Amino acid sequence: DIQMTQSPSSLSASVGDRVTITCRASQSISSYLNWYQQKPGKAPKLLIYAASSLQSGVPSRFSGSGSGTDFTLTISSLQPEDFATYYCQQSYNLPNTFGQGTKVEIK
Amino acid sequence: EVQLVESGGGLVQPGGSLRLSCAASGFTVSSNYMSWVRQAPGKGLEWVSVIYSGGSTYYADSVKGRFTISRDNSKNTLYLQMNSLRAEDTAVYYCAGRYMDVWGKGTTVTVSS
Repeated sequence: DIQMTQSPSSLSASVGDRVTITCRASQSISSYLNWYQQKPGKAPKLLIYAASSLQSGVPSRFSGSGSGTDFTLTISSLQPEDFATYYCQQSYNLPNTFGQGTKVEIK
Repeated sequence: EVQLVESGGGLVQPGGSLRLSCAASGFTVSSNYMSWVRQAPGKGLEWVSVIYSGGSTYYADSVKGRFTISRDNSKNTLYLQMNSLRAEDTAVYYCAGRYMDVWGKGTTVTVSS
């Protein structure tokens, strides 16, 4: 199975900050990488697919980059509604494994 | 409106069975790949199973041989039959479809005596 490792596991940031979360795959997954946002008690929401494509309706302050084994999710200017947990997931092969999550908290 | 609604969760004893349902609206289950993902209390997301439009099915090692994914095209509904349940299967179970851009709100399964 492909292992997905996110860093950091948690971070504290202020409104307006630029936030970067990284995800590393244990082997090359080309661009088969999704990013999700999950708020407490809610279902995950797809933000980015194919490593860098913004899902319809997602604000443009979210962006994704990377290919191969190293990927990044960037929030250009953190907003109050962005405090949540973020997960990466590879869709290169089965099982479609998730990273362990990165919790973004208010500083 | 594109929507998924799960049902069928509950409290079950170890070794018992449950069948989860996921009713879709606004799109066709049989034309898309549909997945089940679970989240144990306080933990991260775990991929469980997928059924492709052609009917092929795949499972996580942790549930292989115990869980079965299926669909009823006439009801536009996805299912997860869960047998031989264990305490470690306790989680919120989500269905997701259409390239993982549509998710249900989840249904809670608790395995406990």
